[in-house]
Amino acid sequence: AQSVSQHNHHVILSEAASLELGCNYSYGGTVNLFWYVQYPGQHLQLLLKYFSGDPLVKGIKGFEAEFIKSKFSFNLRKPSVQWSDTAEYFCAVRDSWGKFQFGAGTQVVVTP
Amino acid sequence: DGGITQSPKYLFRKEGQNVTLSCEQNLNHDAMYWYRQDPGQGLRLIYYSQIVNDFQKGDIAEGYSVSREKKESFPLTVTSAQKNPTAFYLCASSPRTSGRATDTQYFGPGTRLTVL
Repeated sequence: AQSVSQHNHHVILSEAASLELGCNYSYGGTVNLFWYVQYPGQHLQLLLKYFSGDPLVKGIKGFEAEFIKSKFSFNLRKPSVQWSDTAEYFCAVRDSWGKFQFGAGTQVVVTP
Repeated sequence: DGGITQSPKYLFRKEGQNVTLSCEQNLNHDAMYWYRQDPGQGLRLIYYSQIVNDFQKGDIAEGYSVSREKKESFPLTVTSAQKNPTAFYLCASSPRTSGRATDTQYFGPGTRLTVL
């Protein structure tokens, strides 16, 4: 069975600091990869996704993620965070059968 | 106004009662999904459906049932057999499951179920 592992459950950092959230998955077949974000009191929304092509994908709000196939990883990055980036971030993998698997989530708190 | 609606936002039930959570979408999406979200555990897949009149169990289907009689509707019943039903339930849909770049999941606002 596939699984998705997010390395940190909680991250606290100051504004303007760089952010990197780790995500590893275990699945041998073709996968599609996603990062979702859930701001306080809001719906889950898509941050970015990887389907094929350039392994470095750019998403909304200055986020990017890099797919490293050999490491089964899809880490999320942002060079300089803002207070408004405080949210919970979820990595997700979809297999070739259309089934999604989500990680446990990382709560990110950005302090002014 | 297109989207996914879940109702109600908050739901309270007594232990031993079955309860059905509503999920409707007007996005003309083929696939629909139910997840439960618990603190520290992320989203766990309960059931999903890729086409009308067909659905598959997810990772934690025990104690739950679904139906997909219409494309736009995918109700979830939490039965009395579910040992820990109190949770936040999220419904999602996606256009198709062929693996194309448009097959992103879109989420509803969720229903918080509390079993007393």
